[in-house]
Parts: sequence; C-alpha cells; structure tokens
Amino acid sequence: GAGVSQSPSNKVTEKGKDVELRCDPISGHTALYWYRQRLGQGLEFLIYFQGNSAPDKSGLPSDRFSAERTGESVSTLTIQRTQQEDSAVYLCASSPRSLYSGANTGELFFGEGSRLTVL
Amino acid sequence: GQQVMQIPQYQHVQEGEDFTTYCNSSTTLSNIQWYKQRPGGHPVFLIQLVKSGEVKKQKRLTFQFGEAKKNSSLHITATQTTDVGTYFCAGDGDKIIFGKGTRLHILP
Repeated sequence: GAGVSQSPSNKVTEKGKDVELRCDPISGHTALYWYRQRLGQGLEFLIYFQGNSAPDKSGLPSDRFSAERTGESVSTLTIQRTQQEDSAVYLCASSPRSLYSGANTGELFFGEGSRLTVL
Repeated sequence: GQQVMQIPQYQHVQEGEDFTTYCNSSTTLSNIQWYKQRPGGHPVFLIQLVKSGEVKKQKRLTFQFGEAKKNSSLHITATQTTDVGTYFCAGDGDKIIFGKGTRLHILP
C-alpha cells in the first residue's frame, strides 16, 4: 500500500480480555517498530523487527505483551488479559533501514495508530 | 540503556517569537531524527542529521547535531500558528528511541 496501515483504528475492550493489533508496513520496508503513546505523553518504545526477527524486546512492559511478524510484512501486537493502564494509542512505524546494507536511512513512516481503551 | 532526554516539556510563545527545543542522548548516536506530531495526528518525519556538527535548515527551521553526536537542537524562527504541535527528537543507536517531546503552543 501507499502507507503504513493499522487496524483496528479504535478498540474498546473490557479489562481481562485479549486484544490483537495489526500493522501492515510499507511494502519492502525491512524494519518495523511498535510504540505506545499514552494521552499527552511521548512515544514509548515497545519492540522492533528487522525482517521477521525481533533483536530487541526490551520495551515490552510485561509478559502480557507479545508481537510477531511474518513474511517480512504484517506484524501483530497482542496484549493478553488487558489492564486499564494498557489504554493508549499503539503506533506502528516502518523503515527501509537494513542492518546489512549499511544504509543509514532510518526515517520512520508511521501509521495512524490503534487507540485502545480498556474499561 | 539508551535514553533520550528532551527539554523543555512545554513552551508557550507569542506568534512571531522564536522557539528552541533541546535533545540529549545518554549514548553516542549514529544519527538523530526530528518528528512533528500535530494534535490528534501521528508523528511525521522532518529531518535526519548524520554528521558530527551538522547544521541543516528547512525554511524557518534550523537543526543542529552536536560534535559528540549526543545532542541536538531544533530552532524555529518567527513562529506561526501552523507550527503548533509536539516536536520529538529520536536517537538512532541500536534502535530508535524518542524523547518525550516539546509541546509548542502559539499565542495569537
């Protein structure tokens, strides 16, 4: 597609339910990032993928959070047993950056985000 | 771990005044990026600085990268209402980490 696509755009769920957030990056982009942004706050790093591998999962807040990427394309962020503090906008971004090409291009292209509200 | 600090958190200026936000990294960066997020929107890339001591300009915006590649600044000359938003720096080390941003309010 022309840009990064995220779904759903809005999700309201009850505490304790599981949610899945999807990200379709720009075709050909090797790097994919997930960030969390609480209302009025900055971007909190969660995880990034280089291809289908996640070299750094250090930002995941707890073991309730997991993410995967397949086909060097779509990524899914899963939150199990949601809590009210999980309420936030989850932003996905992709980049043409490759660790192997030596390219220094790290510009991130963001999707519109998935707004999660946990009641 | 890699940390990026940004100040100030908020800035209110009269339209026409200048504005500066500062960014400091705990580690040496390969490059630094700047993004702008309008209220209700998503971050949009402004620029990337790669070289030590680099200075780049985009119309009224001037970006600097420190000699040690650990700090950066964004300066806006003669602010306009269209400049409203939050400006984030993002340090590119082994992963891209964002500062907390500076929210710019313009008073007419």
